[in-house]
Amino acid sequence: GENVEQHPSTLSVQEGDSAVIKCTYSDSASNYFPWYKQELGKRPQLIIDIRSNVGEKKDQRIAVTLNKTAKHFSLHITETQPEDSAVYFCAASLIYNQGGKLIFGQGTELSVKP
Amino acid sequence: EAQVTQNPRYLITVTGKKLTVTCSQNMNHEYMSWYRQDPGLGLRQIYYSMNVEVTDKGDVPEGYKVSRKEKRNFPLILESPSPNQTSLYFCASSGGGSYNEQFFGPGTRLTVL
Repeated sequence: GENVEQHPSTLSVQEGDSAVIKCTYSDSASNYFPWYKQELGKRPQLIIDIRSNVGEKKDQRIAVTLNKTAKHFSLHITETQPEDSAVYFCAASLIYNQGGKLIFGQGTELSVKP
Repeated sequence: EAQVTQNPRYLITVTGKKLTVTCSQNMNHEYMSWYRQDPGLGLRQIYYSMNVEVTDKGDVPEGYKVSRKEKRNFPLILESPSPNQTSLYFCASSGGGSYNEQFFGPGTRLTVL
């Protein structure tokens, strides 16, 4: 089955710097890669996703890149702000599969210092 | 308001005492899932359901049961809870197909003594 590895487990940056979180997956059939943000004490929420037919997707200060050959994808946050501090989870799945079966990475705790 | 609700939000129980955590969604979603969240392990899927009366095991189903008798509800049952099931549990729903975004409930903090 699918396995997702996420690195680093913790990341500390200064406000205004960029942050990069990386994930690798094992199942080459996976074609949907979402990223979720979980603020302290809150539920995870989708922030961006990418499908295997594109290599990059941007939404304001966040972007995700996908390398299907190497089976890895990354989250890039530019001009970080204190409100970006949270735990970020990557995930992989098959669209049109058995309905939302997602395999999550272990999570990255991002701390943005003012 | 579109939402996923879970009850209870907090529960402390003892080993072996059967319990049920309820989950309900009002978005008419086909798919529902249960996850547990443990430090350093991320979110691990317990069970998922593709429709009424259709469920399947996730990655960590041992010690759990689910049922999907109505589209909106997906309860999680622990027949004989053990301390290793102490965790934060999330229910989630999604529209399925190309709409794979998971909408999570607020979470249930379970402690088994």
